[in-house]
Amino acid sequence: EAGVTQFPSHSVIEKGQTVTLRCDPISGHDNLYWYRRVMGKEIKFLLHFVKESKQDESGMPNNRFLAERTGGTYSTLKVQPAELEDSGVYFCASNNRGLGGNTIYFGEGSWLTVV
Amino acid sequence: SQKIEQNSEALNIQEGKTATLTCNYTNYSPAYLQWYRQDPGRGPVFLLLIRENEKEKRKERLKVTFDTTLKQSLFHITASQPADSATYLCALLLRSNTGKLIFGQGTTLQVKP
Repeated sequence: EAGVTQFPSHSVIEKGQTVTLRCDPISGHDNLYWYRRVMGKEIKFLLHFVKESKQDESGMPNNRFLAERTGGTYSTLKVQPAELEDSGVYFCASNNRGLGGNTIYFGEGSWLTVV
Repeated sequence: SQKIEQNSEALNIQEGKTATLTCNYTNYSPAYLQWYRQDPGRGPVFLLLIRENEKEKRKERLKVTFDTTLKQSLFHITASQPADSATYLCALLLRSNTGKLIFGQGTTLQVKP
């Protein structure tokens, strides 16, 4: 069974440009999460989807970040326009609700560098 | 203020010894505490979960304790191996089935042969 997959694995963009990160959760997982780690800091929660609905977006830093999960399958996280402080690694994670729902599976991350 | 603290200094131990990592938290009441392993350039990998009403949990060479009075969890790796070298992350889950983890910064473990 495939794990959580993320694309691209690495991206270097200029300040002011747009980047879109994609996450494919484990098949059948209703819950999808985005986290990020900026340099020198701990991993922080960004938002949580249940199927196609945003359950909790309290961690989204500002309105330059837009997350979508149309159809309740894969998700995209768009940063527009990107700023230098957006550099870091963006992790996607997924799990199922109910029994075992507290085990969360992470992808390998999308490493973003804004120059 | 709310915070989670893990030893920021790397832990260096000899192969075969027991590694003990500490996670302390303040002003949180977690329903669960989880430990993850993270290798360089990779995503966190779930290791163990312990509930607020559990004192200890074991899995193979791993043992986690949870003291909600002290607000502390200890993570032990017995008979450590060089392959155990990685960064270990402590994370709190405040409510069941929310997936909103609150992470510590992690402690890097280096096991020398």
